[in-house]
Amino acid sequence: GDSVTQMEGPVTLSEEAFLTINCTYTATGYPSLFWYVQYPGEGLQLLLKATKADDKGSNKGFEATYRKETTSFHLEKGSVQVSDSAVYFCALSDVGDYNNNDMRFGAGTRLTVKP
Amino acid sequence: ETGVTQTPRHLVMGMTNKKSLKCEQHLGHNAMYWYKQSAKKPLELMFVYNFKEQTENNSVPSRFSPECPNSSHLFLHLHTLQPEDSALYLCASSRRGGADYEQYFGPGTRLTVT
Repeated sequence: GDSVTQMEGPVTLSEEAFLTINCTYTATGYPSLFWYVQYPGEGLQLLLKATKADDKGSNKGFEATYRKETTSFHLEKGSVQVSDSAVYFCALSDVGDYNNNDMRFGAGTRLTVKP
Repeated sequence: ETGVTQTPRHLVMGMTNKKSLKCEQHLGHNAMYWYKQSAKKPLELMFVYNFKEQTENNSVPSRFSPECPNSSHLFLHLHTLQPEDSALYLCASSRRGGADYEQYFGPGTRLTVT
């Protein structure tokens, strides 16, 4: 079945460093791809998404490009801030049985940014 | 604020207690979900409801009993839980039928079973 693999953490960076969190997927159909972020004590929030190959999702300085040829959706940010410290989840969604939105999540990558 | 609320935010219960978790969405969505998030484990999908009908139950023990009286409300009834059921329980909602429809999550209920 469909699945998502993302780099294991934790990741620790200094403020203003460049961030990459790798995500690869396996899918039989034409899924949409997402990055979610979870801040301490909160639920998951959508960070960005891309719905077809070569689309780039972007939000709050983060971006990710849907690469069908490498089945990847890596998250990048040019200059991280302390406030970016959170857990980041890569996810894919396809339409499954009963017309459900079948969403699969990666294991999550914890990012800590130090001042 | 995602438009999905959950109560209570924190719950401590004994193994013989009965309690319920509540979720409400104000987004006009017609699909709702319960997830379990445990430390060091991936997010686990528990139940899916579409238009109030349960369409997925991922082998969840019967001590967890979901209820969806309408498309805006979702409950998770808990009874005779085990300590390993301690986790963050997340509710989510979405539109239905399109792969590009993201899920919106509530803040979760942190459950501790003593």
